[in-house]
Amino acid sequence: GNSVTQMEGPVTLSEEAFLTINCTYTATGYPSLFWYVQYPGEGLQLLLKATKADDKGSNKGFEATYRKETTSFHLEKGSVQVSDSAVYFCALKNTGNQFYFGTGTSLTVIP
Amino acid sequence: DTGVSQDPRHKITKRGQNVTFRCDPISEHNRLYWYRQTLGQGPEFLTYFQNEAQLEKSRLLSDRFSAERPKGSFSTLEIQRTEQGDSAMYLCASSSLAGAGNEQFFGPGTRLTVL
Repeated sequence: GNSVTQMEGPVTLSEEAFLTINCTYTATGYPSLFWYVQYPGEGLQLLLKATKADDKGSNKGFEATYRKETTSFHLEKGSVQVSDSAVYFCALKNTGNQFYFGTGTSLTVIP
Repeated sequence: DTGVSQDPRHKITKRGQNVTFRCDPISEHNRLYWYRQTLGQGPEFLTYFQNEAQLEKSRLLSDRFSAERPKGSFSTLEIQRTEQGDSAMYLCASSSLAGAGNEQFFGPGTRLTVL
């Protein structure tokens, strides 16, 4: 079946620290992979995506590389800001039309 | 604002009552999805429409839940005889037909509390 496993939070970092949020997936075939972000009081927004192996998605300083050999799509940012405080969700979409989401990782960045 | 909208944003109801939520997708999007999200969890797929046709339903979707998209535009999700376990955030998303990695655009959600 299809599933996504994210590292559990919450994660608390100081401003300018390096961020990694781990995400691994289980899927048949060749899914597309996504990171969504949910800022406090707002709906989910697409942060980045990758549609095939070795693709790197990037946006707002965040990056994630689709690694088929390790079935991973880890989210990274070199220097986080207070404004990055949010909940981050890893998701996959396979040949059907369903998205499968992880449980989310809460990030708090302190000044 | 041309994003996905949902109404109401909050609903408090007593157990046993029926509730109905509305979702207005982005106007040119053919696909519409409903999800449920409980505290500390990611969104869980409920059902999906392509235009007015309901093409997929989760096996987790109780018979008390029904969704419609009569004209291929807005959609409604009705929950009959609500139970306390139905308390959750109900999310709607829409996407365009084309593209393997097509993004889903989410609405702000309707938070349901069943007393």
